[in-house]
Amino acid sequence: DTGVSQNPRHKITKRGQNVTFRCDPISEHNRLYWYRQTLGQGPEFLTYFQNEAQLEKSRLLSDRFSAERPKGSFSTLEIQRTEQGDSAMYLCASSLANEAFFGQGTRLTVV
Amino acid sequence: QKEVEQDPGPLSVPEGAIVSLNCTYSNSAFQYFMWYRQYSRKGPELLMYTYSSGNKEDGRFTAQVDKSSKYISLFIRDSQPSDSATYLCAMRAGYGNKLVFGAGTILRVKS
Repeated sequence: DTGVSQNPRHKITKRGQNVTFRCDPISEHNRLYWYRQTLGQGPEFLTYFQNEAQLEKSRLLSDRFSAERPKGSFSTLEIQRTEQGDSAMYLCASSLANEAFFGQGTRLTVV
Repeated sequence: QKEVEQDPGPLSVPEGAIVSLNCTYSNSAFQYFMWYRQYSRKGPELLMYTYSSGNKEDGRFTAQVDKSSKYISLFIRDSQPSDSATYLCAMRAGYGNKLVFGAGTILRVKS
């Protein structure tokens, strides 16, 4: 058990470009969550998978955002046509029971 | 009004002090309560998990939940400089549901 792994750790992109982040959950964890955190705030829920099914999406998740979890293992979060307001830490968490364990996050900077 | 309120601090204490961190919430459906510690530019690390009301102790940490008052606390005994971090409370209504976070309290323990 190596914990939740997120890649890349840092991403700098130009406004209008597309970016994709990857999350590898703790093995056998069937639930996977994506959160976004901006400076001075707690993480905000974006979306949630149980196995490969995307069960809930936040209103924060505009149509420029898409998430997948093929085969119920790793997950990807894609942001299309990035905007400066997308600059944030994107966190992934996985869970088997009640506790949720987070990865180190991907810090996105849109310039 | 946010579902979970948490004083952002910063809270500054001398080494060895007892620290009290608190959150209030408005959603009476919340049943699962967690405390996370987050160091700068890192992902949140799960410290304590509590179900429903009551106390839970783990080493220097004690978590308390008072559902009648919609109030949760984390106590840290014999605080150390290494405890300096942001402490996030989080809670969920049901099994597997999304976590709702407070904004986090910045703690500084001075040696």
